[in-house]
Amino acid sequence: AAGVIQSPRHLIKEKRETATLKCYPIPRHDTVYWYQQGPGQDPQFLISFYEKMQSDKGSIPDRFSAQQFSDYHSELNMSSLELGDSALYFCASSSTPGTPTEAFFGQGTRLTVV
Amino acid sequence: GQNIDQPTEMTATEGAIVQINCTYQTSGFNGLFWYQQHAGEAPTFLSYNVLDGLEEKGRFSSFLSRSKGYSYLLLKELQMKDSASYLCAVKWDYKLSFGAGTTVTVRA
Repeated sequence: AAGVIQSPRHLIKEKRETATLKCYPIPRHDTVYWYQQGPGQDPQFLISFYEKMQSDKGSIPDRFSAQQFSDYHSELNMSSLELGDSALYFCASSSTPGTPTEAFFGQGTRLTVV
Repeated sequence: GQNIDQPTEMTATEGAIVQINCTYQTSGFNGLFWYQQHAGEAPTFLSYNVLDGLEEKGRFSSFLSRSKGYSYLLLKELQMKDSASYLCAVKWDYKLSFGAGTTVTVRA
């Protein structure tokens, strides 16, 4: 069965550079969530999209932005990278928010800022 | 906020049973999930509950009481490979929020 696909799997950037992370949800899933997980921490909600519109916002820095495209894939854009942005970034997808439904995660992108 | 509380750590012996409790704020509740996560890997979906009662899936069972804002994950016949972090996550409309996770260590 198709799963949530994230790319790239690993990314190394220097401070002040820009990074773009991509997420391809499970087919027919219209909701995408982005999470940041630092070492030894629980996943922190960044932002979510439903039907290409931002649906909720968590602890996402102003340096980050995201969008969901017409094919439902989503991109997280991170600018002016800082050392503290080094983390695992997960994307999850589900269908029909507001109704109980399972949410599945991609394998994550490990971002290292040096 | 939407507080989700679960114990930080639990240790059990191979073959034993462990119960991980999770409490959460009830307003706006729309489903509760349990995920297993090994270090450096993505959370893996284990179960979800939206109605009161027990859901059983092999060695794993999950229980929900909506009125009490309470759930537990029951791991039976523990195996060494079950050593991992177990995340309780609650869905409120467009957000899926996680607890801090419970690290389960299985000893021989």
